[in-house]
Amino acid sequence: GAVVSQHPSRVICKSGTSVKIECRSLDFQATTMFWYRQFPKQSLMLMATSNEGSKATYEQGVEKDKFLINHASLTLSTLTVTSAHPEDSSFYICSARKPADQETQYFGPGTRLLVL
Amino acid sequence: DAKTTQPTSMDCAEGRAANLPCNHSTISGNEYVYWYRQIHSQGPQYIIHGLKNNETNEMASLIITEDRKSSTLILPHATLRDTAVYYCIVKAGTASKLTFGTGTRLQVTL
Repeated sequence: GAVVSQHPSRVICKSGTSVKIECRSLDFQATTMFWYRQFPKQSLMLMATSNEGSKATYEQGVEKDKFLINHASLTLSTLTVTSAHPEDSSFYICSARKPADQETQYFGPGTRLLVL
Repeated sequence: DAKTTQPTSMDCAEGRAANLPCNHSTISGNEYVYWYRQIHSQGPQYIIHGLKNNETNEMASLIITEDRKSSTLILPHATLRDTAVYYCIVKAGTASKLTFGTGTRLQVTL
């Protein structure tokens, strides 16, 4: 199988606080994970590519100091939204690739963030 | 990566085949055609991918035209659980990222 989990599934926080979202590959090791954001009625937008043991690669327009990504192990990547504001409210989705199957991405169930 | 064009929405009766078209007229020789779907409020799910030959798996069939400028995803017997947004994506090799367009919203009805 290729199961990717995310925690939490939904979170509500106050403006100005930080929120950490975890992405785990449960039955395989993933050297590369991806973080996406999806606003209501819109498509997924790639935020960054997370590589185990190295710095993440951010897409143009994504603030690396606001969206901190850590990929400390082959099964875990975390996204921390720092000093969250209401406009950061969105559906955050991660995906992972198996080393032996570099062509397919397996997605997590997503984390819905609401910043009040 | 090449751009794709898909209809905004489609309807399909339950039990019938759902044929979802995708145009990718600027596809390069090393680019694959991928299909993912996203059921409401869930993460996307991989369906199938191919380069130039037709492909079939337990979920669907992928028919790619000989000139590779278009393809069709076929769900042979659609069910209500197949209601989702279907994304056709072309990308090259293993290093490049997935770029999602707006997809086709498939509504399967009774």
